[in-house]
Amino acid sequence: ETGVTQTPRHLVMGMTNKKSLKCEQHLGHNAMYWYKQSAKKPLELMFVYSLEERVENNSVPSRFSPECPNSSHLFLHLHTLQPEDSALYLCASSQGWGFYEQYFGPGTRLTVT
Amino acid sequence: SQELEQSPQSLIVQEGKNLTINCTSSKTLYGLYWYKQKYGEGLIFLMMLQKGGEEKSHEKITAKLDEKKQQSSLHITASQPSHAGIYLCGADGGAQKLVFGQGTRLTINP
Repeated sequence: ETGVTQTPRHLVMGMTNKKSLKCEQHLGHNAMYWYKQSAKKPLELMFVYSLEERVENNSVPSRFSPECPNSSHLFLHLHTLQPEDSALYLCASSQGWGFYEQYFGPGTRLTVT
Repeated sequence: SQELEQSPQSLIVQEGKNLTINCTSSKTLYGLYWYKQKYGEGLIFLMMLQKGGEEKSHEKITAKLDEKKQQSSLHITASQPSHAGIYLCGADGGAQKLVFGQGTRLTINP
């Protein structure tokens, strides 16, 4: 595997479900990011982890819970989501926090029913 | 906070034609990043511009940074179907955050 991978690629979940999104980077980077991309809205930064510590939480509702067990893996735990949370969730990594040459995964298309 | 506006929001051109996409910032630009996204997939880093007047090229794509106008332009020469996708500009939004424009959707007609 190379680059940044994300699983699953597609996810449909009910509002009462609990699910997790997984991201893995094979680039030896020290910073990882979660972004949300909704239709007709700019890409929104959700969380940033640098050296496995959360350094940014961009006013994201608590129903989204990130986890970074090591510098190569990033999770986004989801529970009691709302239909407006349906979006493409993108993971990215960079050499370090503040490096804007970021490498993105293919994303997880999430639909909340 | 930093805001980026891209124009046009969508663009349809015939294969072989040239095109330009603009990105205008609400604040002084200290660096501008261009990304391309294939529909429903992740972003691919294209190039980074850091100095006023800087111009970079990658294959048939050229980007320029005009610091005085707080603007960057992306120009594609002799467009091909492989150029189709969504082009996004990004800039330092402060606090080491990258902020993005809303994107320009490019369609190439054969």
